[in-house]
This record gives sequence, C-alpha cells and structure tokens, in this order.
Amino acid sequence: DVKVTQSSRYLVKRTGEKVFLECVQDMDHENMFWYRQDPGLGLRLIYFSYDVKMKEKGDIPEGYSVSREKKERFSLILESASTNQTSMYLCASILGGTSGRVNTQYFGPGTRLTVL
Amino acid sequence: AQSVAQPEDQVNVAEGNPLTVKCTYSVSGNPYLFWYVQYPNRGLQFLLKYITGDNLVKGSYGFEAEFNKSQTSFHLKKPSALVSDSALYFCAVRDARPSSNDYKLSFGAGTTVTVRA
Repeated sequence: DVKVTQSSRYLVKRTGEKVFLECVQDMDHENMFWYRQDPGLGLRLIYFSYDVKMKEKGDIPEGYSVSREKKERFSLILESASTNQTSMYLCASILGGTSGRVNTQYFGPGTRLTVL
Repeated sequence: AQSVAQPEDQVNVAEGNPLTVKCTYSVSGNPYLFWYVQYPNRGLQFLLKYITGDNLVKGSYGFEAEFNKSQTSFHLKKPSALVSDSALYFCAVRDARPSSNDYKLSFGAGTTVTVRA
C-alpha cells in the first residue's frame, strides 16, 4: 500500500513565525502536491512538484513556498505565518503516468495548523 | 479550465436506505472522475474512479458511481447506507487530455453525509 506521511497532525504557531510542513511518500512517486482544505471551499491546490527540484504554482500559492530536494519528500513553507493561513493542509502523491494508465492521488492524514 | 460542483452541502439518510451524493463537472475535453471520502480528522481516501468504458463504476465499501456524459454528472451511490458511511465526500475531475499539468485534480466543496441509526 502507498503510504504518505505528514510530520505533524496538529500544529500551533504564532503570527510571523516560519512554519515547515513535511510530507514523505514511500512509493517512489514522481508527483507530489500540497493542498489546503477549508470548510465550504473543498481542496485548493497550493503547489505541486513533478520531479526533484521542480515545482509549479497551484491555484493559491501566495504566502507559501515549497522545497523538493529528494524524490520522497515535499516540504511546504510558510515564510511568515498569518492567521488566514489557519487551515487543514493535505499532502498527496501520484505515480507518473504511463500510456493508457490513469493513476490515483494518495493523500496523507493532514496537518491541522492554527496560527494565533 | 476544469471544475466540479457538489450541489448539496449535506445529505442525511436513515441506515439501510439508499444514499446518493451528487456531482457535476466541467472540463474542456473528456473527464477522468474520482470520488474520495474523508473521515473526521483524517486524510482523503480513494473510493473509485471513472476513466473510460462502462458508465457504472464500482468502488470500495460498496459504493458505485454512474457517469452520465450528457448531464456531465458523476453521482456517487450506495444501495444501503451504514452509520459508518457518515463522512465528508469529495468529487474530483481531471481533463483526460495529456498536458504538463495532467495530474492536477479539481475538487468540489464536499458533501457531508450523515447516516442516522
């Protein structure tokens, strides 16, 4: 089974702090994603990465950055946390597609971040 | 552009009754469609997906979904709901045309299902 793990289930930070959220997958997936989940808004894509050191902005990248130094690890960074970044953060990964196959995104358990 | 609409914020059913969670989508080309479920304080779990072929897709935990191209819908169904099916359900879509962003999913806002005993 694919396993996607996130470093913390719950996190409380102060406004202005630098915050690191870590995600690790153990199935050699090329593609990794960071989403935030807010009630009534579903999941919104922050950033994704399709290879080591590669990244692309998603729909709501403002206030976030990412790092992918190793294939299995994708980090989300809040350079200066703000209260409007209080949310559930979900990491996901997916195997790179081969002809004729449609693979599935697998999700981690989520990190509930509260910024005070 | 691609998007998903889940028109119901909440669905309430009695245990043993049929359960339907609605989803409509919009994509430029043909869709790949997915359903995920989220239990409290957990990540999303994959239920089923439609790629091509048979319009009725069967998935985990007795769920199935019917793809209807003319109505651009992909409703999730379960013939007999259980209390343990109470959770948050998300529909997602991806454009089937290959592109550099072809793994990006667009999610609906989610539907909270409550099954009462």
